[in-house]
Amino acid sequence: GQQVMQIPQYQHVQEGEDFTTYCNSSTTLSNIQWYKQRPGGHPVFLIQLVKSGEVKKQKRLTFQFGEAKKNSSLHITATQTTDVGTYFCAGPGGDSSYKLIFGSGTRLLVRP
Amino acid sequence: EPEVTQTPSHQVTQMGQEVILRCVPISNHLYFYWYRQILGQKVEFLVSFYNNEISEKSEIFDDQFSVERPDGSNFTLKIRSTKLEDSAMYFCASSERPLASGANVLTFGAGSRLTVL
Repeated sequence: GQQVMQIPQYQHVQEGEDFTTYCNSSTTLSNIQWYKQRPGGHPVFLIQLVKSGEVKKQKRLTFQFGEAKKNSSLHITATQTTDVGTYFCAGPGGDSSYKLIFGSGTRLLVRP
Repeated sequence: EPEVTQTPSHQVTQMGQEVILRCVPISNHLYFYWYRQILGQKVEFLVSFYNNEISEKSEIFDDQFSVERPDGSNFTLKIRSTKLEDSAMYFCASSERPLASGANVLTFGAGSRLTVL
């Protein structure tokens, strides 16, 4: 079945350092979404990318969708302690309109 | 801002007991989902529901699981005979339109933590 993998599994950074997580799907995606889950919380939608090669920015966060629409990345510039959490990419499951497959997640820890 | 509400926030049950987890999706959303997350692991798809029937289910969603929309506002997940490995956080989510439409996203509830002893 479809697999969505993320690396790294964990990242521990000093506040102010940059952070990047990479997402790879075994199949081409019609769109990719990113969610953030704070410790003890629930996934919260961050952004959706639809077009091949698309780049979107939200303040210090930069999201990119690969040309082949099989990979994506999230880059955070100058991390802050409020960035702590697990970042998940997610994409529709195959041709299904009724299933979003989540990646394995990258847990970000920020040392103050 | 509209939100998905879930009850209970935490349920402790004995192995073999039935459990019902409840969710109230966002009122104008038509697509409903259950996901689960074993502690520290990824968010796993269980089932999606649209137009009063299951749209898709995962291999995790076996005969022990069922979903229902009993009254037009609630969306429930029932586990008939709980097992130790059912211990997890169960998230309900809803979306306004189909996911592959390129135009829609999931709104999650705060989750129901199930502990099976």
